[in-house]
Formats: sequence, structure tokens, C-alpha cells
Amino acid sequence: EAQVTQNPRYLITVTGKKLTVTCSQNMNHEYMSWYRQDPGLGLRQIYYSMNVEVTDKGDVPEGYKVSRKEKRNFPLILESPSPNQTSLYFCASNRGTGNEQFFGPGTRLTVL
Amino acid sequence: DAKTTQPNSMESNEEEPVHLPCNHSTISGTDYIHWYRQLPSQGPEYVIHGLTSNVNNRMASLAIAEDRKSSTLILHRATLRDAAVYYCILRDLSNAGNMLTFGGGTRLMVKP
Repeated sequence: EAQVTQNPRYLITVTGKKLTVTCSQNMNHEYMSWYRQDPGLGLRQIYYSMNVEVTDKGDVPEGYKVSRKEKRNFPLILESPSPNQTSLYFCASNRGTGNEQFFGPGTRLTVL
Repeated sequence: DAKTTQPNSMESNEEEPVHLPCNHSTISGTDYIHWYRQLPSQGPEYVIHGLTSNVNNRMASLAIAEDRKSSTLILHRATLRDAAVYYCILRDLSNAGNMLTFGGGTRLMVKP
């Protein structure tokens, strides 16, 4: 089944404790993106990647890092999480710009 | 990407057609009209997209006005599973950032 998977689905952590949210897709898509969703603000793009080793900032990249060492994986790294990064995070992938994006199930992160 | 305007919410009866409107008066000639929906506690899901002509797929139909300043997503027979937030998004293929800009969307409620 074609899908985007994210882990963990839920995470509660404390300020400053490094964490990684993994994202993997099995559709051989070139493009992958990370979004965060907050009430009243909609979905906002954090980072995106157009292919292996090619990443760039989205609208709200501060406090996040990403890497794209393999085509299928696009982990989101929070080196020093802060409470304002408490949010619902979605990973997405697509074949090319303009094509439909496939979203993962989301990761609900709480930073205390 | 140009902005879209949608009603905050709509209500429908089960088994009846639903017409979800979207205004995009500043649309440019290269903007595609995309629709996504987000079911409760899930990631966004692609529904349909088009440029100028009306489009049909297994999920819905998209009717695009002749001047392209508005469009309507048509669910032919609403089911309870169609209760979701529906987002109308304009995507310019020159958007190298691969970003989807989600506005507020329309929350569709389906009554049994």
C-alpha cells in the first residue's frame, strides 16, 4: 500500500531535549515536505526537499533541521525543542511540484 | 500563490449532493486549483485538481468558472465519512518550494 509513515505519532518531551521525528514514503517520490498545523494558523511548511541531499527552508524553519540521505526518508530534527514548537506535524511526499501530495498521519508533539 | 476564500462551514444531509464553493479572484493563468480535505485526526488528503476544464474523479467533481475566478467542488452523494475540512488551494507550477498554502477551509458537516 502506498503510504507515508511517521513516528512517533505522539510525543511529550521537555524543553531542550533533542528529538527526531521520522518520515518514510514507499512511493519513490522525489519531493518531501514537513508542515506544522496550529489552530487558527493552518498548515505551514517548515522544510522541503526536492531530492536526495537537496533541502530548503519553507515558511517557518527556525528551530528545525532536516536531512535527506535516502530518497524514502526525511527526518525532522529538533535540536533544542521549546514550548512554542508544541504542534501537530505532518510529513508529505509527491512525485513532482504540482502533483498531489500524500500526507502522513501526523505527529502530535508537546514540549513542556 | 494567490489567495482563496471559502465559507467557514456548510451542512449537508447524507446521500444528498454537496456543492462547496471557492473564490479566487486573483488567480493567475498558471495557477492550478487543488482541493484537499482533512478528516478528523488525520492528515490532509488530495481530492481533485484542475486548470480550466471541469474534472471528475472517483471522489468528486470540480467545476471551474469560465473566468476561473471561482470553482466548486461537488460531492455527488455525501456520506458521513465525507465530514471533513475541505481546502481550496491555488498552486503555481513555478512554486519550486512545493508548498501547499492551506487557508481556513470549509468545515463540512453531514447529517444522517
